[in-house]
Amino acid sequence: NAGVTQTPKFQVLKTGQSMTLQCAQDMNHEYMSWYRQDPGMGLRLIHYSVGAGITDQGEVPNGYNVSRSTTEDFPLRLLSAAPSQTSVYFCASRDMTAGNTIYFGEGSWLTVV
Amino acid sequence: AQSVTQPDIHITVSEGASLELRCNYSYGATPYLFWYVQSPGQGLQLLLKYFSGDTLVQGIKGFEAEFKRSQSSFNLRKPSVHWSDAAEYFCAVGYNDMRFGAGTRLTVKP
Repeated sequence: NAGVTQTPKFQVLKTGQSMTLQCAQDMNHEYMSWYRQDPGMGLRLIHYSVGAGITDQGEVPNGYNVSRSTTEDFPLRLLSAAPSQTSVYFCASRDMTAGNTIYFGEGSWLTVV
Repeated sequence: AQSVTQPDIHITVSEGASLELRCNYSYGATPYLFWYVQSPGQGLQLLLKYFSGDTLVQGIKGFEAEFKRSQSSFNLRKPSVHWSDAAEYFCAVGYNDMRFGAGTRLTVKP
């Protein structure tokens, strides 16, 4: 059982470049979300989705786009990377029918230079 | 707006001593409440969660937490800390828009 899979694990971008962080889950969870983690700030919610075709903004959505065309996938797009987006990104999915347990991916380390 | 506050950025305790990590929240209704632990360079592991019912919740690794509605708090406790408990601890609150506190880093002295 793969759980939540994020790719890539490490990425270095130049300012202004675009990229997509991929997230896939094989647990048929309706809920998925993206967080960024920065020192001293905990995890901050970027975007979340409660099902295919439905997305909503979290605390820090600016500079990021998401879409949810399938239950399994929830990619996070950086349209024009900025140094302020250097962070560790975590994708998560949640089983909303069984105790709301959240499953996190292993994280993606992104550096924007 | 909802928010989560972990007042202690860093706590040091001696091995075998008791531990309490504080978490206060602001939310429109009684939210779902969680505690997570993160070791350096690792992902997050769920320690325990509270949705309803008994306000004292037992978790893994000997941790427990108590929900106090009147204080909007969900403090994490452990009666006797082990060296392997050294990590960063995060309180999380909410439902679809789950928010995390800034974390408390725990150091355990031998």
